Amino acid sequence: EAGVAQSPRYKIIEKRQSVAFWCNPISGHATLYWYQQILGQGPKLLIQFQNNGVVDDSQLPKDRFSAERLKGVDSTLKIQPAKLEDSAVYLCASSLRDRGPNEQFFGPGTRLTVL
Amino acid sequence: AQSVSQHNHHVILSEAASLELGCNYSYGGTVNLFWYVQYPGQHLQLLLKYFSGDPLVKGIKGFEAEFIKSKFSFNLRKPSVQWSDTAEYFCAVNVNTGGFKTIFGAGTRLFVKA
Repeated sequence: EAGVAQSPRYKIIEKRQSVAFWCNPISGHATLYWYQQILGQGPKLLIQFQNNGVVDDSQLPKDRFSAERLKGVDSTLKIQPAKLEDSAVYLCASSLRDRGPNEQFFGPGTRLTVL
Repeated sequence: AQSVSQHNHHVILSEAASLELGCNYSYGGTVNLFWYVQYPGQHLQLLLKYFSGDPLVKGIKGFEAEFIKSKFSFNLRKPSVQWSDTAEYFCAVNVNTGGFKTIFGAGTRLFVKA
């Protein structure tokens, strides 16, 4: 079974630039998550999709962050414009069921550095 | 707001020592509990989970965790650690607030000396 794929693995940009991350979840997984993990902290949920609908985006800074999951499969997360405090690892995860608690499978993450 | 607290940020043990990592959460309703592990250079992966039933759950590689509802705790244990257990461990709580939401603790970095 192929795992969750993310690209790029690393990205360095200057503040006020834009950046986009891509995630391809495990085939058949209904739920997709984007997390932000700042150094020394645990992952913080930014947005959760169930198929192609948003379930929770309460912690997504909507003035600069956006995400979409077209066709209920892969997803992109965009930051525009980036700030220094956006430096973090962005994790994508997916889970099988579309409701109820279940194990999340994580991708390798994208390490973003904003200079 | 719901939160998860992991008491130790860094733990250093010698091989064969016993391990206990603390995890407490703040939420009064029904919870589902997880421990995830991230080995150096690898993805986050599930170590064990508790949804219901026996509060003592066993996971991979000899790890176990005990859910104590009255203490809002889900501590991770292993009787004898190995060098290969060097990793970062995250406790996570899944709560139903109209949809299932997962909150992670800050993580504990474990270093096992050979």
